[in-house]
Amino acid sequence: GQQVMQIPQYQHVQEGEDFTTYCNSSTTLSNIQWYKQRPGGHPVFLIQLVKSGEVKKQKRLTFQFGEAKKNSSLHITATQTTDVGTYFCAGNSNSGYALNFGKGTSLLVTP
Amino acid sequence: ETGVTQTPRHLVMGMTNKKSLKCEQHLGHNAMYWYKQSAKKPLELMFVYSLEERVENNSVPSRFSPECPNSSHLFLHLHTLQPEDSALYLCASSHPGKAYGYTFGSGTRLTVV
Repeated sequence: GQQVMQIPQYQHVQEGEDFTTYCNSSTTLSNIQWYKQRPGGHPVFLIQLVKSGEVKKQKRLTFQFGEAKKNSSLHITATQTTDVGTYFCAGNSNSGYALNFGKGTSLLVTP
Repeated sequence: ETGVTQTPRHLVMGMTNKKSLKCEQHLGHNAMYWYKQSAKKPLELMFVYSLEERVENNSVPSRFSPECPNSSHLFLHLHTLQPEDSALYLCASSHPGKAYGYTFGSGTRLTVV
């Protein structure tokens, strides 16, 4: 079955440093979504990418979908303590109905 | 509030008990999902309902029984659970075809003793 893998599992940065998490799928995806879960909270939808090579930005967050539609990345510029949480990618293949989530990358930002 | 309401927020139950988790959404979504979130594991898809019909069941043990009486409500009936079933159970809803992603509820933190 389809698997979505994320690296790294954990990342600890100083406030102001950049952060990147990577997502890879074993199969071609029809779309990829990114979610953020704060400690003690629930996943919150951030963005969806659909097109090959697509790049989208939300303030300090940059999302990228690979040309082959099998990998994606989330880059945060100049992290802030409010960025703390676990970032999940989730992929949907053409044959699957629901999203398959990666294990997530837990980001810790220290002031 | 997320638009998806789950009750109860916390539940402690014995292995011989029967309980139900409830999920409710009034976002006009036509698909609803149950996910299990355990420590050090990815979000595990349990059940998918589309237009009140179950469309996916990911080899979930029969001690978990879903019910979707209408497009706004989803239940997860629990009986004779095991301690390893302790986890955060998340309900989500979506409108397939729209780029708004899933809306998750706050979850039910289940502890089986």
